Amino acid sequence: KAGVTQTPRYLIKTRGQQVTLSCSPISGHRSVSWYQQTPGQGLQFLFEYFSETQRNKGNFPGRFSGRQFSNSRSEMNVSTLELGDSALYLCASSLDSANTEAFFGQGTRLTVV
Amino acid sequence: GEDVEQSLFLSVREGDSSVINCTYTDSSSTYLYWYKQEPGAGLQLLTYIFSNMDMKQDQRLTVLLNKKDKHLSLRIADTQTGDSAIYFCAETRPGSARQLTFGSGTQLTVLP
Repeated sequence: KAGVTQTPRYLIKTRGQQVTLSCSPISGHRSVSWYQQTPGQGLQFLFEYFSETQRNKGNFPGRFSGRQFSNSRSEMNVSTLELGDSALYLCASSLDSANTEAFFGQGTRLTVV
Repeated sequence: GEDVEQSLFLSVREGDSSVINCTYTDSSSTYLYWYKQEPGAGLQLLTYIFSNMDMKQDQRLTVLLNKKDKHLSLRIADTQTGDSAIYFCAETRPGSARQLTFGSGTQLTVLP
């Protein structure tokens, strides 16, 4: 069974640009959550999607958005990139919204220059 | 203070036991987790415990939960060099089962 797949693995963008990251959950999993990991702030929750609906949102500005498709794949978008958005973005997959186990992908390393 | 706190570093000798500690502030925490992160990798779920349990054992891993003191620990028996990594504890709360709140992580170094 394939694990959580995040693409791309690495990305370099310029300030002011926008970026889209992709996450394919484990087959059969319907819940996808996104996290940002930085040396200064650690791991912070961005949002969770289940059945194409955003269920929960962390404390991030509106520049951070996401969506989920009918096949459970999810994308997150960051607009008007800032240097501080440089981070490892991690996606977690769960069977459903109440399931206790969350499995993480390898992450997308975003560098904003 | 922080919701979930961990000490930053721990060094042990190969073959010894490692104990990584974590404290949390929210008494309504439902599940508590331990994740492992190796360099350049994502998070690997090691184990988790429901808040009404005191202990959970899974092969070399033992999780102890003291709910009164809001203290969680992870014991790794017979620590190996491959156990060197950053270990994160995390919690979830009622109504937000998929929103994990993480500690800052403990860097475990296993010395030969």
